[in-house]
Amino acid sequence: DTAVSQTPKYLVTQMGNDKSIKCEQNLGHDTMYWYKQDSKKFLKIMFSYNNKELIINETVPNRFSPKSPDKAHLNLHINSLELGDSAVYFCASSQGRANTIYFGEGSWLTVV
Amino acid sequence: AQSVTQLGSHVSVSEGALVLLRCNYSSSVPPYLFWYVQYPNQGLQLLLKYTSAATLVKGINGFEAEFKKSETSFHLTKPSAHMSDAAEYFCAVTHGGTSGSRLTFGEGTQLTVNP
Repeated sequence: DTAVSQTPKYLVTQMGNDKSIKCEQNLGHDTMYWYKQDSKKFLKIMFSYNNKELIINETVPNRFSPKSPDKAHLNLHINSLELGDSAVYFCASSQGRANTIYFGEGSWLTVV
Repeated sequence: AQSVTQLGSHVSVSEGALVLLRCNYSSSVPPYLFWYVQYPNQGLQLLLKYTSAATLVKGINGFEAEFKKSETSFHLTKPSAHMSDAAEYFCAVTHGGTSGSRLTFGEGTQLTVNP
């Protein structure tokens, strides 16, 4: 069973479109995250939710909106996609503070 | 504030040779430190973690790392490299926040293993 699963794995879309990436974890964790990995493989946190409450919101354009319908799910919606949004987006989860963060397989987004 | 510096964006070793990937951290509070590995087109897999227990931490696939507070280092080692170890390795730091963890990653080290 996949602990943190995200869909789609690959997504190619045109500039200006709106797209969503879905994430689900079956680990029973109370905290979920979105990380972005750029073309140079640098990883940076975007958002974090704890028990459905937004607790980390880095400097991310308003076009990015996370939504957590319950503790096991954290989706990422992106409006008006731009070329610079092309990246790998990783969903992750953890339990409690400073515990191990488990990552999903990533979603490769390409904006053309 | 916390940060991680990985010395050497590319490391190349021969199969069977010692692997040494360097990581130095900066943290205003006692850190928790992690090493993750990323194989091509895959997600991040935890190799090992330090959370203020034993300073020598053993992980999966024969890797280990030693926390040295005086040197603010957490270098990753493996005695004998295998071809399957070729991947990108990330060092990361966080601390015991009130909820959740803000992992700060280094820039990664690409490990190449030559036959």
